[in-house]
Parts: sequence; structure tokens; C-alpha cells
Amino acid sequence: SQQGEEDPQALSIQEGENATMNCSYKTSINNLQWYRQNSGRGLVHLILIRSNEREKHSGRLRVTLDTSKKSSSLLITASRAADTASYFCASPWGGSEKLVFGKGTKLTVNP
Amino acid sequence: DAGVIQSPRHEVTEMGQEVTLRCKPISGHDYLFWYRQTMMRGLELLIYFNNNVPIDDSGMPEDRFSAKMPNASFSTLKIQPSEPRDSAVYFCASSFLDSTDTQYFGPGTRLTVL
Repeated sequence: SQQGEEDPQALSIQEGENATMNCSYKTSINNLQWYRQNSGRGLVHLILIRSNEREKHSGRLRVTLDTSKKSSSLLITASRAADTASYFCASPWGGSEKLVFGKGTKLTVNP
Repeated sequence: DAGVIQSPRHEVTEMGQEVTLRCKPISGHDYLFWYRQTMMRGLELLIYFNNNVPIDDSGMPEDRFSAKMPNASFSTLKIQPSEPRDSAVYFCASSFLDSTDTQYFGPGTRLTVL
């Protein structure tokens, strides 16, 4: 069953604005990962955050994890048109041996 | 490194034909995954291998689907016979540490079954 649910399903912003996407889940996790998929391309790993971490940064990306609320957020600061893509959260939910991906958030950054 | 390589990038075939998708994982990665992506169902894991051995094929939709990994640098996903509902984008991915760590995806094969 689908565990990670991204919110919103779609997001449209202007270049330079910040974009925030959320992922909620129901079971325990060891890690939670965020991936990006440009149209017609494969998924690209962005960042992995472990269950004992609360925040992680990578360039313009900031990921937070709140295990008490069972949620994670991905913040893209100072967005660019090139950030237009779908963003997925994934995790081995509930101690599974495999990653399960959410349905994704489609981000459009307008120039 | 060249990354995960998949071929063909596009495949159009007629219902009932055999389709073979190919994947070359990143050298040194012990895990290989096959996914299928559709608008309706999202990204689904079909099967994954560890050191060329299939570990979990519970996502393979039916007996028409089969996957092999004869060596560490090559894997195939075969559909025989193909049906229109198999139309999707098929991704191969590989990872180094374990089945739940960072995965590196190929560009995908877009399959259309007429």
C-alpha cells in the first residue's frame, strides 16, 4: 500500500520564490529520501535523511523530518525554472526491505 | 561513471509480441531494481536482485513478466506475450549498500503496446 503521500499534488510558483513540499506517512522509518524527476527522465536522488536526524541541507535544498508527526518537508529556496519537475518521497516504510515511492508533487516554476 | 544504462529508450510493439528490456547497472552496485511507472499507479517496484540473485519478485504483475540477471553488469526484463495494459515507462535502478539506500535510476524505456 502507498505509505508516503506528498502534498500538494501540484504547485506553481514564480522564479525566485521558495517551494515547500510535504510528505506524510503512517509507519516507522529508518530513513526517508527525496527524489526529483524531470519530464521524460529517470529519478534523481536529492537527499536522504535518517530517522535520528531532524534537518539536512544540500545547496538550495532543505529537508526536515518530524518523526512525532510522521512527516517530512522539502524546501527549495530561490527556485529556478530548471527546478520544474516532480518530486517524490520514498522510504522503506515500516522496516520494509524495499523503497516505496509516493505519487509525487509536480512543481512548476514560472520564469 | 556512465550511470545506469537502459535500452531501448523507446519500444513500440503489437499485442502478443515479446518485449525485452535491458539494463546495465553502475559498476560495483550489488543491487538492481526494476520499476514500472504509470499515471494511474505511480512508480511500482517489480523485482530486485542482490548479487545477481532475485530477492523479491512480489511486484511482478503476472507470469507474462520475467527478469534475469546473468551477471553483475546486465539484466533483462521480458514480457511475453505483451498486452496494451503493459504500456508504461520501465526503469532500472541500482544501489550500492542495500535495498533501502540511495538508488540511481536509468533514463527508462517507454513501452507502447498497440
